[in-house]
Amino acid sequence: ETGVTQTPRHLVMGMTNKKSLKCEQHLGHNAMYWYKQSAKKPLELMFVYNFKEQTENNSVPSRFSPECPNSSHLFLHLHTLQPEDSALYLCASSSSSGLELFFGSGTQLSVL
Amino acid sequence: AQSVTQLGSHVSVSEGALVLLRCNYSSSVPPYLFWYVQYPNQGLQLLLKYTSAATLVKGINGFEAEFKKSETSFHLTKPSAHMSDAAEYFCAVSDNTDKLIFGTGTRLQVFP
Repeated sequence: ETGVTQTPRHLVMGMTNKKSLKCEQHLGHNAMYWYKQSAKKPLELMFVYNFKEQTENNSVPSRFSPECPNSSHLFLHLHTLQPEDSALYLCASSSSSGLELFFGSGTQLSVL
Repeated sequence: AQSVTQLGSHVSVSEGALVLLRCNYSSSVPPYLFWYVQYPNQGLQLLLKYTSAATLVKGINGFEAEFKKSETSFHLTKPSAHMSDAAEYFCAVSDNTDKLIFGTGTRLQVFP
């Protein structure tokens, strides 16, 4: 596998469920990101990890909980989500210079 | 604070016609500027980037963009549109930190 891989591609969950999104990068990068993409809105940066340390939390509600066990893996744990959290969640990675992001194909999340 | 404005959420051109997608930025420091493309059901892919070298930047698939500091613009152009260029295009700005600020995107339609 090469690049940035996200699983699952699609996820439907109820508001009381707990689920996790997974991201894996095979590019040797040190930084990983979660973005939220909603219709007609700019991509919203949610979290940034550099060398496994969280360096950015862009005022994200606590029902979203990131985890970065190593530089190659990034998770987004979801619990008690709201319908307005339905969106495409994109993972990205970059080298330590941070000038170019490499994106996964995203997880399309629907909260019912 | 940095920001990006993309004028026109939808642009339609005929195959073979000039493509012009507009992007204006706001930045308190010399910016790094990017254009990304997103095809349906995929993540974002880098088209080109400006990092304070030549002001005319050439990217993949025949696209190019010109950095104009006096106009705070970084418009994306392609001389002749192909059907395969139909996608959503995002302009983004960075101050060389690990933050990339995206515009709202422009959907390009190409008609035969």
